[in-house]
Amino acid sequence: RKEVEQDPGPFNVPEGATVAFNCTYSNSASQSFFWYRQDCRKEPKLLMSVYSSGNEDGRFTAQLNRASQYISLLIRDSKLSDSATYLCVVFTGGGNKLTFGTGTQLKVEL
Amino acid sequence: DGGITQSPKYLFRKEGQNVTLSCEQNLNHDAMYWYRQDPGQGLRLIYYSQIVNDFQKGDIAEGYSVSREKKESFPLTVTSAQKNPTAFYLCASSGGGLGETQYFGPGTRLLVL
Repeated sequence: RKEVEQDPGPFNVPEGATVAFNCTYSNSASQSFFWYRQDCRKEPKLLMSVYSSGNEDGRFTAQLNRASQYISLLIRDSKLSDSATYLCVVFTGGGNKLTFGTGTQLKVEL
Repeated sequence: DGGITQSPKYLFRKEGQNVTLSCEQNLNHDAMYWYRQDPGQGLRLIYYSQIVNDFQKGDIAEGYSVSREKKESFPLTVTSAQKNPTAFYLCASSGGGLGETQYFGPGTRLLVL
């Protein structure tokens, strides 16, 4: 099993739709979680950290489910500018290891 | 403006040649990192440094070398021992260790002639 797994997509959605991505992780001791956004041929940029209680930033909501070992990202009212690849990132302190998922591609269409 | 700069944007390497990728940050971050990104794969850690004059190997350090003589700078050398160097190389920095938010530079694309 991969340490961090994401559905590669692409997810093709119409503008205004709600879309959700999941990311599963294999190490139950993992302690920090992030979502990064990466545009084509550009560097990753932090979208949001994921907290145990869940957190929201405008149209974006991130949640953590430790029991099932996954994190999720919900995007409401999708915009064309949301089209990008979304990277799930997991930090495990015991091994001091940061693992990047391969990313989920989102395409928002008119 | 604070940030991370990488140069060059594109770099071409001939067989048997060593090349050096530059990474500079003015965020006053202690930690700096080098990653490699290949199509269909997640970012993989090459080397990281948490303090000046100290660095550790990441998951794929073979064929690469680094130095950290200044807090602001963390150059990466791709040596001739790296047999498959074609990739997108990303430098990052953070205020703390690997578990802290990382800020990335714009990347360098390395191609082999």
